[in-house]
Amino acid sequence: DVKVTQSSRYLVKRTGEKVFLECVQDMDHENMFWYRQDPGLGLRLIYFSYDVKMKEKGDIPEGYSVSREKKERFSLILESASTNQTSMYLCASIQVRARATDTQYFGPGTRLTVL
Amino acid sequence: EDKVVQSPLSLVVHEGDTVTLNCSYEVTNFRSLLWYKQEKKAPTFLFMLTSSGIEKKSGRLSSILDKKELFSILNITATQTGDSAIYLCAVEEVDYKLSFGAGTTVTVRA
Repeated sequence: DVKVTQSSRYLVKRTGEKVFLECVQDMDHENMFWYRQDPGLGLRLIYFSYDVKMKEKGDIPEGYSVSREKKERFSLILESASTNQTSMYLCASIQVRARATDTQYFGPGTRLTVL
Repeated sequence: EDKVVQSPLSLVVHEGDTVTLNCSYEVTNFRSLLWYKQEKKAPTFLFMLTSSGIEKKSGRLSSILDKKELFSILNITATQTGDSAIYLCAVEEVDYKLSFGAGTTVTVRA
């Protein structure tokens, strides 16, 4: 089974703090993704990475940065957390397709509250 | 602008009913459409659709894609309380980027 893990299930931070959310996958997947999920808005893509040290902006990258120094690890960074970044954060990964049936696998999510 | 629009946003049914969930989309470089089920945790994969008119089935769930009209439906027959969840539709582009709809919250009452 593919395993995607995230460093914390729940996190509470203060406005202005620097926040690191870690995601690790154990299936040697090339592509990794960070989403946030808010009620009524669905999942929105923040950043994704298709290889080590490579990153691409998603739909809502403002206020976030990412780091992919190793293939298995994709970090999401909030340089200066703000209350509007309170959300559920989901990490996902996928192997570059050889077969059409492959799909993204999600981690359990990190519920971040910024006070 | 919304790339993926799901309807209805929510619905309540009784056990045994059939539900139909809708997903319309608009993307430039379409690769596939995916359906996920999300309970109180991360989304779990249900179906991937790449070709028009071919129905995919898994037990009481089925789904079909219309690439000409740019929509998909997810059907759940003989609903059970365990089907209560948020159902997410996502469209994948050729670079593997996924765009999600807002989801449909299904509540099945005993």
